[in-house]
Amino acid sequence: QSALTQPASVSGSPGQSITISCTGTSSDVGNYNLVSWYQQHPGKAPVLIIYEVTKRPSGISLRFSGSKSGNTASLTISGLQAEDEADYYCCSYAPGNSLYVFGTGTKVTVL
Amino acid sequence: QVQLQESGPGLVKPSETLSLTCTVSGDSISNYYWNWIRQPPGRGLEWIAKIYYSGSTNFNPSLKSRVTISVDTSKNQFSLNLRSVTAADAAVYYCARLTPRYVCGSGSYCGDYFDYWGQGSLVTVSS
Repeated sequence: QSALTQPASVSGSPGQSITISCTGTSSDVGNYNLVSWYQQHPGKAPVLIIYEVTKRPSGISLRFSGSKSGNTASLTISGLQAEDEADYYCCSYAPGNSLYVFGTGTKVTVL
Repeated sequence: QVQLQESGPGLVKPSETLSLTCTVSGDSISNYYWNWIRQPPGRGLEWIAKIYYSGSTNFNPSLKSRVTISVDTSKNQFSLNLRSVTAADAAVYYCARLTPRYVCGSGSYCGDYFDYWGQGSLVTVSS
């Protein structure tokens, strides 16, 4: 089972919007609407920011939004802020192999 | 507030067994699924295994032959043993709570996300 494919890096200026893609297959991302996204600052544990493709946990900024089309999920960060500079990972269950597979990770840089 | 805390040796010799324990507070371990996830230095996340309080388990096929996971409901803890470690097993090991997949509507599923994580435990493999 391969990791889900994400761009290695995405950058944007403060106030801009950026989108991170997460590409899998019909056996994972395309199978259920159960993709989740995690934000990880250096030296810290990942934090859940999106679950079930589009939902935000309590306390997560409205600037984070998720979507999915076919085998590709996307995370959009609107109104980019310095504090958004972090690594982002998508995750999906792969029922064929009975495991959870993470994306390769995307480093977001705020210019 | 749910909190998870990993504990265990930070240094393991090659070919020996890595053992970690996760202590859960603020929630009963008799709910949800409990997981181990690791992250080699400078690299991405890898799911290792999950366990339910009943003892039901699932493993990453790539690690299944070397992994044991157990739960102690009396202590609200669950543990990981990874046998025959090599340098490739050096990583930060996280424990995490999983809200499992469930039917939430006509033909719809919900869940399958890791909502609480421990701070992580760095394990080095060296003689």
